[in-house]
Amino acid sequence: DAGVIQSPRHEVTEMGQEVTLRCKPISGHNSLFWYRQTMMRGLELLIYFNNNVPIDDSGMPEDRFSAKMPNASFSTLKIQPSEPRDSAVYFCASGPARGTEAFFGQGTRLTVV
Amino acid sequence: AQSVSQHNHHVILSEAASLELGCNYSYGGTVNLFWYVQYPGQHLQLLLKYFSGDPLVKGIKGFEAEFIKSKFSFNLRKPSVQWSDTAEYFCAVNAAYTGNQFYFGTGTSLTVIP
Repeated sequence: DAGVIQSPRHEVTEMGQEVTLRCKPISGHNSLFWYRQTMMRGLELLIYFNNNVPIDDSGMPEDRFSAKMPNASFSTLKIQPSEPRDSAVYFCASGPARGTEAFFGQGTRLTVV
Repeated sequence: AQSVSQHNHHVILSEAASLELGCNYSYGGTVNLFWYVQYPGQHLQLLLKYFSGDPLVKGIKGFEAEFIKSKFSFNLRKPSVQWSDTAEYFCAVNAAYTGNQFYFGTGTSLTVIP
């Protein structure tokens, strides 16, 4: 298995633009997580899906952020409009069953200028 | 508030020194515990995990961790560190009653000097 695949690896965008981050979880995994990592705040859980259904989105910072999981093999995290303070590394992770383990993707480094 | 605490933010050791990184959590009930490592510029990788049974867990690359339920702790140890262990180390908790979310500590940056 290729592991959790995220795209793009790097994204540089101007403030106000829409940004879409993509994630392909490991086949057969039914849990999917989006995390944001910054120096100041560490790893923050943004949203968690189980069987394609959002279970907990309390970590989504504000309405500019939205996440979808239209099927078991694909998820997106969208920021519209983007702001410089959104600059961070965004990780997607998937897990095979409740609480067993989270496998992380390589991350997307987002820079908003 | 429920949390995962890593008390050591930055640790600097010489090669062959012993390592212990602290992790405390405040979630009650049944928990699964994890240590992840993040090498510079890379993603998080699992070092070891504890679900039940023997509270002393052995992981990859010579790392081990001990679960002490009474202290709500899951400290990471390695008897002799190597330069290649330079990385960020994250403790994580998955508590049954909170669903399947993984909550991470703020991380400990380890620098090993050759």
